Formats: sequence, structure tokens, C-alpha cells
Amino acid sequence: GENVEQHPSTLSVQEGDSAVIKCTYSDSASNYFPWYKQELGKRPQLIIDIRSNVGEKKDQRIAVTLNKTAKHFSLHITETQPEDSAVYFCAASSRSSASKIIFGSGTRLSIRP
Amino acid sequence: EAQVTQNPRYLITVTGKKLTVTCSQNMNHEYMSWYRQDPGLGLRQIYYSMNVEVTDKGDVPEGYKVSRKEKRNFPLILESPSPNQTSLYFCASSYGTGQDQPQHFGDGTRLSIL
Repeated sequence: GENVEQHPSTLSVQEGDSAVIKCTYSDSASNYFPWYKQELGKRPQLIIDIRSNVGEKKDQRIAVTLNKTAKHFSLHITETQPEDSAVYFCAASSRSSASKIIFGSGTRLSIRP
Repeated sequence: EAQVTQNPRYLITVTGKKLTVTCSQNMNHEYMSWYRQDPGLGLRQIYYSMNVEVTDKGDVPEGYKVSRKEKRNFPLILESPSPNQTSLYFCASSYGTGQDQPQHFGDGTRLSIL
């Protein structure tokens, strides 16, 4: 079945620097790749998503890139700020998996002042 | 306000005592799903439903039951809870088949099974 691997599990960056989180997926039929942010004690919330017909998508300081050939996608956060500290989850799904959604194991991002 | 509501938010109970966690959404979403969140394992899908009376197993369905008798409600039932079901549970909903739409999550239910 579908598997999603996420790296790194923890990441610490200096405020103002960039952060990159990577995910790889196994099902070549996957066509939807969302990223969720979960602040401490809160629910996961969508921050950006990308579909398989697009290679890159940007929203202010956040961008996601997709490499279908290599079956990996990445979250890029530029000019990091203290409020970016959270756990980030990637996910992948495909119509062939009958609407199952597979999440990565999460990355705990800490922003150092 | 558009939201997904779970109850209870916290529950401590004992092995074998049946329990139900309710989930309700007011967005008229077709797709609803239950996840459990455990440290180092991320979010794992338990069951999902693409519409009324349609439910399917996710990756970790053992020990759980669900029902979808109305579009807005999707309760999670633990018939005979065991300690390995101690976890943080999230209900979520989305438009359409859910496969290619953002999930809207509830606030979570922390279950402790002693």
C-alpha cells in the first residue's frame, strides 16, 4: 500500500533562515499532496497543497515543490519567524487508493531567536 | 461558524468498557474520517466515509467501528477498548470524495484506556 516517509523528524533553524522538509511517497498514482501545520495542543490545519499537474506552488513565505519522477515533494519556509514553530505533516492520496489519505510521521520545527 | 465538533475532548476509562466518540460537522461535507495520532507515527487513518451509509477501512481499523447514518455525524465506537488504543483522536471532514480536498479537523479527543 501507499507509504509516505517524512524527513527530518526534528529541525531547528535560526530565526530568519529557511527551513526545508521533505517527503517521499510510494504510490505513483498519488495526485494530491497537502501540508498541515499543528501547533502545540491544537488541531492540524492546512497551510498549502499541490496537485500532480503542478510542479511548484507558492503562498507568501511558504512554497511546495513536487517531483513526480522521483516521487518526492518538499515544503520550503523562508524568513522563518517564531510563530512557524510547530509540527508539520505531509500527506499523499490517490484515487487508486480509494480515498485513503496517508500522512507522514511529522517534523517538529523549532525557530531559535 | 464552520467547524468539526468532537466530544468528549478528554476521557479516561477502563479496558473493555464500550465508548463512543461523537463527531459532527456543519459544512455539508460528504467526506468524513477518523485519525489517531501517536508520537513518532504521525496521523494514521482509522476509517473514512465518502457519504451516508458508505464507510471504508483506513490503515488501522482493528478494534474500531464507525457509522454514517446522517451526513453531518460520524461517530467512532470502541466496543471493547484496550490500553493500546490510548491515543489522541481527530475527526476530519472535506468536500467531495475527500481524496483531493483539504481536511478540516476537529479539536481532538484524548483517550486514556487503563
